Amino acid sequence: DTAVSQTPKYLVTQMGNDKSIKCEQNLGHDTMYWYKQDSKKFLKIMFSYNNKELIINETVPNRFSPKSPDKAHLNLHINSLELGDSAVYFCASSQGLAFPDKFFGPGTRLTVL
Amino acid sequence: QKEVEQNSGPLSVPEGAIASLNCTYSDRVSQSFFWYRQYSGKSPELIMSIYSNGDKEDGRFTAQLNKASQYVSLLIRDSQPSDSATYLCAVNGNTDKLIFGTGTRLQVFP
Repeated sequence: DTAVSQTPKYLVTQMGNDKSIKCEQNLGHDTMYWYKQDSKKFLKIMFSYNNKELIINETVPNRFSPKSPDKAHLNLHINSLELGDSAVYFCASSQGLAFPDKFFGPGTRLTVL
Repeated sequence: QKEVEQNSGPLSVPEGAIASLNCTYSDRVSQSFFWYRQYSGKSPELIMSIYSNGDKEDGRFTAQLNKASQYVSLLIRDSQPSDSATYLCAVNGNTDKLIFGTGTRLQVFP
């Protein structure tokens, strides 16, 4: 009965590889997000989708491509991974753009070697 | 200037004391304010939201907002060791972009 789930929980990979992180929410929310938390614990928004439509795209390298097949899923694909991509990536959801309360998934710790 | 500023701490308080966590923000059009608690290795968990000036109480937690001073705080009464965590202040403007501070680490010692 997990509200926001992510897979995998841990991801260790070599520089230059391509990887994906999946996110699903069963809260019936319309809006989903990807956040990145760096080693200093700073949490920064990357993308948001509302009803499968891209709403926010922060200044993220275009190696990062989100995809929302339906409003319950938001996946993140990363091409040509770099050392600086190592971080914890959190998926989150909210009821909608007018409901700023956000519920976070458990996070995916990405380590690029 | 950072958009949302918090003292990184650690803030150490004895069990039973009041812990006071502070946050300032730079965008005057900010409308919604949140406190998240994040235990080590876990995801942020929403504990308080406040939208208008004044105090909002929920159990042992009180959020205080002063828009004129661009200041929001969180008071934790009767602090418990289980309250030891990082507390993230977050601010929403007139977009859906939630801006987080870097968090204050709270340590409650028995």
